[in-house]
Amino acid sequence: AQTVTQSQPEMSVQEAETVTLSCTYDTSESNYYLFWYKQPPSRQMILVIRQEAYKQQNATENRFSVNFQKAAKSFSLKISDSQLGDTAMYFCAFMRKGNTGKLIFGQGTTLQVKP
Amino acid sequence: EAGVAQSPRYKIIEKRQSVAFWCNPISGHATLYWYQQILGQGPKLLIQFQNNGVVDDSQLPKDRFSAERLKGVDSTLKIQPAKLEDSAVYLCASSIGTGGFNYGYTFGSGTRLTVV
Repeated sequence: AQTVTQSQPEMSVQEAETVTLSCTYDTSESNYYLFWYKQPPSRQMILVIRQEAYKQQNATENRFSVNFQKAAKSFSLKISDSQLGDTAMYFCAFMRKGNTGKLIFGQGTTLQVKP
Repeated sequence: EAGVAQSPRYKIIEKRQSVAFWCNPISGHATLYWYQQILGQGPKLLIQFQNNGVVDDSQLPKDRFSAERLKGVDSTLKIQPAKLEDSAVYLCASSIGTGGFNYGYTFGSGTRLTVV
């Protein structure tokens, strides 16, 4: 069974600075996808960034980038130039590649961006 | 395009009562998911439909939870009878398919259930 662990329940960062959220996972699969989702108070899960495990190049989406270390089973999210609107819960998630759509989530990290 | 619609947004019931949640996925999305998110935790998949057939319900407490997807479109999730530990946010999501890289995977805003 796959598990996803986020060891930082809460984080804070000053506006315009950079913050890194940690995520580790455990799987025996070789083909899979990893995701970071943002959940604001509206409760809707919003996809931030995604990574295919077979790609060595780290994914980047504007101010968001990941550090994917497949051997270490680590998938951290870096937010650059933090903005007040980045304040939310962030979830790391795993999906096995193949005929499935099941997302397995970590416990989440609450990020507060301070002015 | 319209998003995933869920109702009600909030629901408070007493334990042992029954409750139902409704979800309308994005048009054309064949796959529909119900997740349970207990406060302070990440969402957990309860049931997954492909069109109107069940793909995965391994984590659905079948003694009290039931779900159906009528005509492969809307879905309802029911709890009967509710327990205090069912207090959670129930998220519905839909996707175009299941075999790819999050094919248009979209979440609704969820229903917050409080059982007292």
